Amino acid sequence: QPVLTQSSSASASLGSSVKLTCTLNNRHSTYIIAWHQQQPGKAPRYLMKVEGSGRYNKGSGIPDRFSGSSSGADRYLTISNLQSEDEADYYCETWDINSWVFGGGTRLTVL
Amino acid sequence: EVQLVESGGGLVQPGGSLRLSCAASGFTFNTYAMSWVRQAPGKGLEWVSTFSGSGGNTYYADSVKGRFTISRDRSKNTLYLQMNSLRGEDTALYYCTKGDEGFDSWGQGTLVTVSS
Repeated sequence: QPVLTQSSSASASLGSSVKLTCTLNNRHSTYIIAWHQQQPGKAPRYLMKVEGSGRYNKGSGIPDRFSGSSSGADRYLTISNLQSEDEADYYCETWDINSWVFGGGTRLTVL
Repeated sequence: EVQLVESGGGLVQPGGSLRLSCAASGFTFNTYAMSWVRQAPGKGLEWVSTFSGSGGNTYYADSVKGRFTISRDRSKNTLYLQMNSLRGEDTALYYCTKGDEGFDSWGQGTLVTVSS
């Protein structure tokens, strides 16, 4: 089954941009992934799907500040003009024929 | 607006059973896959089980296979998770989710605590 690898933490300043990475294992390097945001004490929220081509498709109501991209086995989530409410855990997710997998999550701190 | 409302969590002894429910509204329930995802205290997200949108295919994580059973009542727009032979490591917040190519909606979760 697929394996997703994420850095455990990231930080960036208020108003700046940050790019979070989710890496697929080699065998599943072409897979589509989804990004989810989990603010402290809240349920996760779906952000977008990102394809290997770099095309991305956001969920309803997700601000324009959030975008996706790809390079090889890496799938990215870029957040521009960081706001305090962007401080959260970010998880990537992918799926196979009969299983679903999450990355370990990246905790984003807004300085 | 999609709404997923979980219920049925609580405190249960090791070896016990519990049934979780997820009431769905705001979309055509019968056409979407539905899943359960859990989060142990202070840990990340873990997929538990999925019920396909069409047909009756069900899928389970190895950690729960043979102990948990997912089902859905299409007349009530409700998803269930029957959990048997519960263990301490099953302690988690259990979320109901919609979709199978990216979980695109999440409920607020119901807490299951397995402890003596």
